[in-house]
Amino acid sequence: GAGVSQSPSNKVTEKGKDVELRCDPISGHTALYWYRQSLGQGLEFLIYFQGNSAPDKSGLPSDRFSAERTGGSVSTLTIQRTQQEDSAVYLCASSSAGGGSNQPQHFGDGTRLSIL
Amino acid sequence: GENVEQHPSTLSVQEGDSAVIKCTYSDSASNYFPWYKQELGKRPQLIIDIRSNVGEKKDQRIAVTLNKTAKHFSLHITETQPEDSAVYFCAARPPLNAGNMLTFGGGTRLMVKP
Repeated sequence: GAGVSQSPSNKVTEKGKDVELRCDPISGHTALYWYRQSLGQGLEFLIYFQGNSAPDKSGLPSDRFSAERTGGSVSTLTIQRTQQEDSAVYLCASSSAGGGSNQPQHFGDGTRLSIL
Repeated sequence: GENVEQHPSTLSVQEGDSAVIKCTYSDSASNYFPWYKQELGKRPQLIIDIRSNVGEKKDQRIAVTLNKTAKHFSLHITETQPEDSAVYFCAARPPLNAGNMLTFGGGTRLMVKP
């Protein structure tokens, strides 16, 4: 079936604006993750959703960042009052289970966010 | 929390030579260690993973070794080809983690010269 789908692929916006990034995980995958990858850097964990459990938000860098996952499927990452340091590629991943199952995470192509 | 260090940050090899990338982790309870390959502008792709109950795993030209005592694991690519050029990321996952979150290393940019 289809892999993890993210939209938009690129987003350019002015400092101070809000942005929404969308992730559509692989069908049937209960676990969904958001990561941030700054230019030439590794992957920084942001937030994790598992089924209907409360999300793990421990990686969110500030209260300007939030995420939702409606119906256990599509997720939206929202960044309010964007700053230039928010410029990065935002990657979404999903896996078939969490909680110790060690199922591999499958990544989307990411959204490249540029804050002017 | 878990901390993963990856070395080297860049690696240049001649086509046909071997490449080795090393990672160390801090949490001795970590039990799952995947490796991802990310080509320029593309998504990270899982290429191989190893669990803590084995010391080595091989898949064609790629192998991963794990030393639990020393808390390090390595990726070995033999007979490198230009298409192996990419950024490689190691990761570790502690079992006590409530989810399936991975802690990633900083990445290694591998360049295979033809």
